[in-house]
Amino acid sequence: DQQVKQNSPSLSVQEGRISILNCDYTNSMFDYFLWYKKYPAEGPTFLISISSIKDKNEDGRFTVFLNKSAKHLSLHIVPSQPGDSAVYFCAARGNSGGSNYKLTFGKGTLLTVNP
Amino acid sequence: GAVVSQHPSWVICKSGTSVKIECRSLDFQATTMFWYRQFPKQSLMLMATSNEGSKATYEQGVEKDKFLINHASLTLSTLTVTSAHPEDSSFYICSARGGVPRGYEQYFGPGTRLTVT
Repeated sequence: DQQVKQNSPSLSVQEGRISILNCDYTNSMFDYFLWYKKYPAEGPTFLISISSIKDKNEDGRFTVFLNKSAKHLSLHIVPSQPGDSAVYFCAARGNSGGSNYKLTFGKGTLLTVNP
Repeated sequence: GAVVSQHPSWVICKSGTSVKIECRSLDFQATTMFWYRQFPKQSLMLMATSNEGSKATYEQGVEKDKFLINHASLTLSTLTVTSAHPEDSSFYICSARGGVPRGYEQYFGPGTRLTVT
């Protein structure tokens, strides 16, 4: 059972436009959400995160929105740049009370920003 | 800050041999380290979680006798793939978490491509 879903395997946008990457989750115990960016043959790089007590977090060109009632979050990149082309993973952390707080990842969305 | 390295970056080994992969946090102390595996076009699959000085916690379906994890210090964890077989060929990625005050974000290493022939 996939608890974190990224239903769009790929997305293509024009340089300068907005990129919107979506993520849905099913586990209501998740309390912290993260977005990672990954280039081929490299490890993921942390981008931005959001706590479940917030509905928006912004960092430069990146903004993450969280809709808890819909169990949905999205990453907005404005303006999109060719260097943003990568696979973006959505991840969620559970609040199980354990000390490890392991992350559950979606399958990723390949973003291509065309010049 | 928050740099995690892995060594080697790629390795080719023969079936039946063992391979050790190192994961180091270079500029912070990692109280917890995680080992992931990624197949082509698939998500990151958590294999195990290790805390410094204690035994690793393996995810369901991961053979602990095959994937040996040692977290000997706050900056080093190792994954040893024992008696490797071609189906073990994959991209292995470690991550490290430093906890408060650094936060709960995991910082990932660059990954190790293992090919078993």
